[in-house]
Amino acid sequence: GAGVSQTPSNKVTEKGKYVELRCDPISGHTALYWYRQSLGQGPEFLIYFQGTGAADDSGLPNDRFFAVRPEGSVSTLKIQRTERGDSAVYLCASSLTPGGPLDYNEQFFGPGTRLTVL
Amino acid sequence: DQQVKQNSPSLSVQEGRISILNCDYTNSMFDYFLWYKKYPAEGPTFLISISSIKDKNEDGRFTVFLNKSAKHLSLHIVPSQPGDSAVYFCAASGGNQFYFGTGTSLTVIP
Repeated sequence: GAGVSQTPSNKVTEKGKYVELRCDPISGHTALYWYRQSLGQGPEFLIYFQGTGAADDSGLPNDRFFAVRPEGSVSTLKIQRTERGDSAVYLCASSLTPGGPLDYNEQFFGPGTRLTVL
Repeated sequence: DQQVKQNSPSLSVQEGRISILNCDYTNSMFDYFLWYKKYPAEGPTFLISISSIKDKNEDGRFTVFLNKSAKHLSLHIVPSQPGDSAVYFCAASGGNQFYFGTGTSLTVIP
């Protein structure tokens, strides 16, 4: 079956521009996560959706970052007034449900969107 | 503030031998730990996990050990195969968030 897909795979933009990054999770997965991975670092948590609602957005670095998931499936990460420091690979992951300590559900990652801000 | 640390950025192992990847964490509230494998230009792929109520979990050639008192976990791969060459991330969770280490690049030499 289809895995998590992300579009575009690469995005080059100029400082100050607005960008949208899209994530299509695995069908039926209610939990969706966005991460940012900078060069030489591990994925850094940004936001977590359970269904349509953002259950935890404490990882968003500032108010230029915003994410939506209006129908509980596809999610869009939106970055306003991009800065060079926003350049990174943005990863999306989905899972059936977050579960609890004894039955965490595996997160399936997409291939990521490489964002370059010039 | 890095809550999950992988202090070895790279590791080279001969094919057939054991690979041991290490990970340390600082938050004693973490209750679930995972290892992911990542190839270039792909997203991380789940490998194996362990709950904080256990100290060992085994899946084929992969075994994860958890030492809660030392806040340390390790991934053992035996025997190592050339296809295991990738970047390995450990991750920890105590709720909705997952914290990742910086990764260890494993090279298995044929």
